[in-house]
Amino acid sequence: DQQVKQNSPSLSVQEGRISILNCDYTNSMFDYFLWYKKYPAEGPTFLISISSIKDKNEDGRFTVFLNKSAKHLSLHIVPSQPGDSAVYFCAARRRDSSYKLIFGSGTRLLVRP
Amino acid sequence: DAGITQSPRHKVTETGTPVTLRCHQTENHRYMYWYRQDPGHGLRLIHYSYGVKDTDKGEVSDGYSVSRSKTEDFLLTLESATSSQTSVYFCAISESGQVFENTIYFGEGSWLTVV
Repeated sequence: DQQVKQNSPSLSVQEGRISILNCDYTNSMFDYFLWYKKYPAEGPTFLISISSIKDKNEDGRFTVFLNKSAKHLSLHIVPSQPGDSAVYFCAARRRDSSYKLIFGSGTRLLVRP
Repeated sequence: DAGITQSPRHKVTETGTPVTLRCHQTENHRYMYWYRQDPGHGLRLIHYSYGVKDTDKGEVSDGYSVSRSKTEDFLLTLESATSSQTSVYFCAISESGQVFENTIYFGEGSWLTVV
């Protein structure tokens, strides 16, 4: 029973265009969401996050949108760059166990030059 | 980079043998975690520690045990390795008990193959 789902295992985008990575969740107890980026042979690194009381958070080329009614969040990367090619994990934190994260299965993004 | 060292980084072992993975941190963070990453599952929490000698189970703890005798070291032991435990194991650390923004840091991973 996956509480955090990333239904697209992979995504290919042309350099300069927008990349949109999606994540769905099922648990209403999640109060905070994070996106991590992972390169091969490295650990995940934090990218951007959003609290459940907000619907948008922006950091440079990266924007995360949260639609609580749909239990859906998305990560937008504009413009996409070849260095953005990596696996992206969506993660969620429960308000009653804020020390641990529930991860999605990841989406592999390829940005073509 | 957060001061996290995982060892060994790669290991091949036989079914039924015990295996211990070590996570060492130089940040003096209170919380330490072991996750495993598998295709189609993302990262799943195995065990975590909230202080020396204080540990608890995560969502996939069966077949694993942990120990934390010092703040800086968190050991993950597979008592009798099985092929289903072939995975990439990530250690993580955080200073507080509340994960938000960039407050949890991951090691580089340990690749374990059980044959």
